[in-house]
Amino acid sequence: KQEVTQIPAALSVPEGENLVLNCSFTDSAIYNLQWFRQDPGKGLTSLLLIQSSQREQTSGRLNASLDKSSGRSTLYIAASQPGDSATYLCAVKSDYKLSFGAGTTVTVRA
Amino acid sequence: NAGVMQNPRHLVRRRGQEARLRCSPMKGHSHVYWYRQLPEEGLKFMVYLQKENIIDESGMPKERFSAEFPKEGPSILRIQQVVRGDSAAYFCASSPPTGGLNEQFFGPGTRLTVL
Repeated sequence: KQEVTQIPAALSVPEGENLVLNCSFTDSAIYNLQWFRQDPGKGLTSLLLIQSSQREQTSGRLNASLDKSSGRSTLYIAASQPGDSATYLCAVKSDYKLSFGAGTTVTVRA
Repeated sequence: NAGVMQNPRHLVRRRGQEARLRCSPMKGHSHVYWYRQLPEEGLKFMVYLQKENIIDESGMPKERFSAEFPKEGPSILRIQQVVRGDSAAYFCASSPPTGGLNEQFFGPGTRLTVL
């Protein structure tokens, strides 16, 4: 059974600081890993999808890395802004279903 | 191309009533997944369906919950005799027919409140 852990559970940083969010998973036999953003009471916004054969993906200020053999992924958000405040979820796809971490709640202080 | 649609967005039921949640997948998608997010918890897989077939329902509670994806129309998640513990956000996702290994696209969710 795939277990996904996200550390830290919460993070508060001043505006402009870089964010580093960590995700670990127990079973390295994955197809892909996805990072989502969730605002309070809202749905999921897909940020980045990394296929198992890839090492990283980039989109604007976001960069995600994947080390499948060690069961880890890291999401970097450069030059954080107050609008980045949200919960960030990591999800791992093994067979056909996604296993989610509990999320990291980020607060960016103006 | 419209995304995954879910309705209603918010649903209030009293204990003992039935809740029906609907999910229309993206155009061309024939695979549907349901996930539940309980308060202060992560999203958990419930069920995976293809047209007219339940592929995996290992995440569904054994009683009161059922799901279907008919040949025509949306996928339905049905909860009978709701209890307060069913209060949660229910998310539907869909993927293309080329296989369950593709990216899943999520709907906005239905927030169920049981009074």
